[in-house]
Amino acid sequence: AQSVTQLDSQVPVFEEAPVELRCNYSSSVSVYLFWYVQYPNQGLQLLLKYLSGSTLVKGINGFEAEFNKSQTSFHLRKPSVHISDTAEYFCAVTTNRDDKIIFGKGTRLHILP
Amino acid sequence: GAVVSQHPSRVICKSGTSVKIECRSLDFQATTMFWYRQFPKQSLMLMATSNEGSKATYEQGVEKDKFLINHASLTLSTLTVTSAHPEDSSFYICSARERGDQETQYFGPGTRLLVL
Repeated sequence: AQSVTQLDSQVPVFEEAPVELRCNYSSSVSVYLFWYVQYPNQGLQLLLKYLSGSTLVKGINGFEAEFNKSQTSFHLRKPSVHISDTAEYFCAVTTNRDDKIIFGKGTRLHILP
Repeated sequence: GAVVSQHPSRVICKSGTSVKIECRSLDFQATTMFWYRQFPKQSLMLMATSNEGSKATYEQGVEKDKFLINHASLTLSTLTVTSAHPEDSSFYICSARERGDQETQYFGPGTRLLVL
């Protein structure tokens, strides 16, 4: 079975500073990895996904993530955050053998002025 | 593309009544739809998976007679919370997987249910 760990429940960052949100996964088979963002009282919006190929994946809103198989990680990064990036970020994993997506517990990104 | 809508966005009902929530894929055909429940400041909990034209598959601990799911067409799934009680108050989110794309789920905006 797959699992996802987001070690940081909250990450405070000053506006225009870089940020990294950590995500580690475990799986015995090949995985597909996702980052979703949830703004207050809204559903989830897909930021980016890794299915195969290049390990550096670029998404919307200036975010990118790097798949690292040896470290079983898929950390999300942005070089310069904006106040509008304040939201909950969820890392998720699935496989080609499974219907379900497994979500991490989420990381709240709090942008400081 | 890949837009999923939910209706209503917010509903308040009295204890004992039933509430129906609709999930629609607006610009694609969704062979599979998922229903999640999210408690405040927590992650999403998968309730059930529904495939068009067949019965939903419920996760362990989810009462299928309580949460009725119907996936009658390739663009519509409904979740009916029967005889709702205050403990059913939550944020319900659906997602849909597009035909031919077996990896990605696209999420609706969610429905906040408050049972008085």
